Amino acid sequence: SQTIHQWPATLVQPVGSPLSLECTVEGTSNPNLYWYRQAAGRGLQLLFYSVGIGQISSEVPQNLSASRPQDRQFILSSKKLLLSDSGFYLCAWTLKAGAETQYFGPGTRLLVL
Amino acid sequence: AQKVTQAQTEISVVEKEDVTLDCVYETRDTTYYLFWYKQPPSGELVFLIRRNSFDEQNEISGRYSWNFQKSTSSFNFTITASQVVDSAVYFCALSEAGSGANSKLTFGKGITLSVRP
Repeated sequence: SQTIHQWPATLVQPVGSPLSLECTVEGTSNPNLYWYRQAAGRGLQLLFYSVGIGQISSEVPQNLSASRPQDRQFILSSKKLLLSDSGFYLCAWTLKAGAETQYFGPGTRLLVL
Repeated sequence: AQKVTQAQTEISVVEKEDVTLDCVYETRDTTYYLFWYKQPPSGELVFLIRRNSFDEQNEISGRYSWNFQKSTSSFNFTITASQVVDSAVYFCALSEAGSGANSKLTFGKGITLSVRP
């Protein structure tokens, strides 16, 4: 069966510091991968998605970037964090066929101070 | 552009009450998919159900049931005999078939359900 991991689970970082969040999927090959952010107040915002290694599409221009160095690894980064980057970051995967169900990881809570 | 509206923001019920969570969607596509996810306090989004636009049959899974009506663009979720463990934020989401391999979801803002003992 497929599983999705995210780490760290919780992170407190000062403003201006770099960020690296990691997401890995097990039990499947060549998935589509997604990064979402959920700010206080619940709304889920799609940040990036990837259909393959090195292929990244950005949905919202911002202070963050994403990379996919391996088939089942998706990384969310920032060179300098802003206060507004605080939130709950969720990674998700889905099979390639159109409009398949997205399955989410446990998430990373990021607090920027 | 597609849109999902969950007009209810917070619902509070007493255990064993039935509760319905409303979801209204907008899309120009004739083929699309609707989803419900549950987000318990731990934060992880748990998939509950996926329906395609050609299947309007209602679905029942234990205490959960879903009513899909294309005529009113609604995909409502009912919990029968609610339990404290049902307390969570519930999201409705829409994916257009035209998004192809990208499978991008549009989420509603979520409904916070509190079930009191």
